Amino acid sequence: DVVMTQSPLSLPVTLGQPASISCRSSQSLVYSDEKTYLNWFQQRPGQSPRRLIYKVSNRDSGVPDRFSGSGSGTDFTLKISRVEAEDVGVYYCMQGTYWPLTFGGGTKVEIK
Amino acid sequence: EVQLLESGGGLVQPGGSLRLSCAASGFTFSSSAMNWVRQAPGKGLEWVSTISGSGDSTYYADSVKGRFTISRDSSKNMLYLQMNSLRAEDTAVYYCAKAGCGAYCYNTFDYWGQGTLVTVSS
Repeated sequence: DVVMTQSPLSLPVTLGQPASISCRSSQSLVYSDEKTYLNWFQQRPGQSPRRLIYKVSNRDSGVPDRFSGSGSGTDFTLKISRVEAEDVGVYYCMQGTYWPLTFGGGTKVEIK
Repeated sequence: EVQLLESGGGLVQPGGSLRLSCAASGFTFSSSAMNWVRQAPGKGLEWVSTISGSGDSTYYADSVKGRFTISRDSSKNMLYLQMNSLRAEDTAVYYCAKAGCGAYCYNTFDYWGQGTLVTVSS
């Protein structure tokens, strides 16, 4: 199975400051069609997960542009340019290139 | 508006069975693969199972293979998960999730339901 490793586990951030979450996969996520199926999800407290980013850097409709995804191969990053209070929650990366589909362990973003 | 509404969760004894349902609306159900994803209390997300848009292809996590069965009824826009031989480690919130890329595309989930809690305990 492809292991997805996120860091840090916890990320205290000051409002208005940037935040960055790392996600590393145990093998390259480039599929045979040359696309990379790496997703980012946000789970606010008490809510269901919500997709933010798909195929590394494509932002979903309605997702603020302060969220951005980048990376390639085995190393990926989710960045929040200026953290707002509504960004508190747990963020998960997920690979869709291989069966079984696997998630990272999550990064908890909280306000300092 | 896409809506996914799970039901069927509850308390069940180890070794027992339960069937989860997910009512889908707001999209062409038969054109989307569908998934079940679970989250144990205080833990992260775990993919459980996927079914193609037509229902002819199914996939399972090793942890549930042989015990769980995913199915769908496109005439009713319903997704199901039949869970047998339940174990304590199956205790989790189970989410129904729509695949975001078509009937035979499985690499992303674009919409999630609110989840239904399954508790396996004596």
